[in-house]
Amino acid sequence: QQQVKQSPQSLIVQKGGISIINCAYENTAFDYFPWYQQFPGKGPALLIAIRPDVSEKKEGRFTISFNKSAKQFSLHIMDSQPGDSATYFCAARGHGQNFVFGPGTRLSVLP
Amino acid sequence: DAGVTQSPTHLIKTRGQQVTLRCSPISGHKSVSWYQQVLGQGPQFIFQYYEKEERGRGNFPDRFSARQFPNYSSELNVNALLLGDSALYLCASSSRSGQGAGEQYFGPGTRLTVT
Repeated sequence: QQQVKQSPQSLIVQKGGISIINCAYENTAFDYFPWYQQFPGKGPALLIAIRPDVSEKKEGRFTISFNKSAKQFSLHIMDSQPGDSATYFCAARGHGQNFVFGPGTRLSVLP
Repeated sequence: DAGVTQSPTHLIKTRGQQVTLRCSPISGHKSVSWYQQVLGQGPQFIFQYYEKEERGRGNFPDRFSARQFPNYSSELNVNALLLGDSALYLCASSSRSGQGAGEQYFGPGTRLTVT
């Protein structure tokens, strides 16, 4: 019940295209859902986050869509750029500040 | 403003040895969490400290321990190192703990290699 599932494992998108990464969870006690971007050899960087009382949040080219009834949320990257090539992790906050992370999606944006 | 800092950057240890990793949170942040990230996987929660008290512990053996100091910096200790402890150890800080707490920001990590 503490798992967060993430798909796809890897994604290849052409420059200018839309990248979509999906996550699903079981624990209804999760109260905060961030997305992190990680480049090789670096720590994860907070990208965008949403709370379950909101269905969508947009920041620049990044949008989170949240479906509370389905217990699913997704990250959309519009106008994907080669610089967006990284590993993306969805996460969910459980008890206290205990974050549960998905296994990650490796995104490659082709020039 | 400085972000979360961690030291050392890289570390090579032998099986059976002990290691101490250090973390300084963002100025003003009182909560520090530790995560282990094995290559190709997402971070796994190890500990959370807030105001020098342990607030959460993940599914890790007792060989792992941590503490938080009055200035909110933190140390993670791992005893009797195993090959499987080789990973990137991440420290994250946030301003509060529990429901309604703010965002969590990660440091660059310490890459531990056990040989």
